[in-house]
Amino acid sequence: SAVISQKPSRDICQRGTSLTIQCQVDSQVTMMFWYRQQPGQSLTLIATANQGSEATYESGFVIDKFPISRPNLTFSTLTVSNMSPEDSSIYLCSANRGMNTEAFFGQGTRLTVV
Amino acid sequence: AQSVTQLDSQVPVFEEAPVELRCNYSSSVSVYLFWYVQYPNQGLQLLLKYLSGSTLVKGINGFEAEFNKSQTSFHLRKPSVHISDTAEYFCAVTLQDAGNNRKLIWGLGTSLAVNP
Repeated sequence: SAVISQKPSRDICQRGTSLTIQCQVDSQVTMMFWYRQQPGQSLTLIATANQGSEATYESGFVIDKFPISRPNLTFSTLTVSNMSPEDSSIYLCSANRGMNTEAFFGQGTRLTVV
Repeated sequence: AQSVTQLDSQVPVFEEAPVELRCNYSSSVSVYLFWYVQYPNQGLQLLLKYLSGSTLVKGINGFEAEFNKSQTSFHLRKPSVHISDTAEYFCAVTLQDAGNNRKLIWGLGTSLAVNP
């Protein structure tokens, strides 16, 4: 198994500012992902964080808005840039060791933009 | 398009009653299937998974699921639910896209409400 620490757990931010969310895994993992989850809804994949190279973004998400870093096999950050109230959501970090293995999740970051 | 369908958005049930949460997927290639649970204000936790072998898989908290390839289904069951099972349940399937890349596709979730 893997334990994922995500911080901050929650934040209230002013519109137009940026927030960086950190995700730390307690062991090396192959794949790391960032999801967004609107209240009461399912998970939407933002991007796959690739170690040492640019993240792979899903349709509707762009690097300028959601820059991602993954400097090594256990750590990644997601920045939500130039925030607006529509960015209010829960952001989840996930990791696994292959697509045929379970995904582990952090506790999430609850972001409110005012 | 590849998809995972959870047929019931909400399932109310009385304590100690049996429950089935339904999940269907669209794929013609081999898949890996998962059920996750999310308790209020918490992250997601794996309940059980099917990778290969026996089509009946048992998970934590007394849950089990059966992989039915012909019906492309992976329904979750529990013979007797408890109040503490109240949570959101997500079905997820690793599917292969047109570029032969495997992606984890999520259902929209089923909210299980266990009433006394």
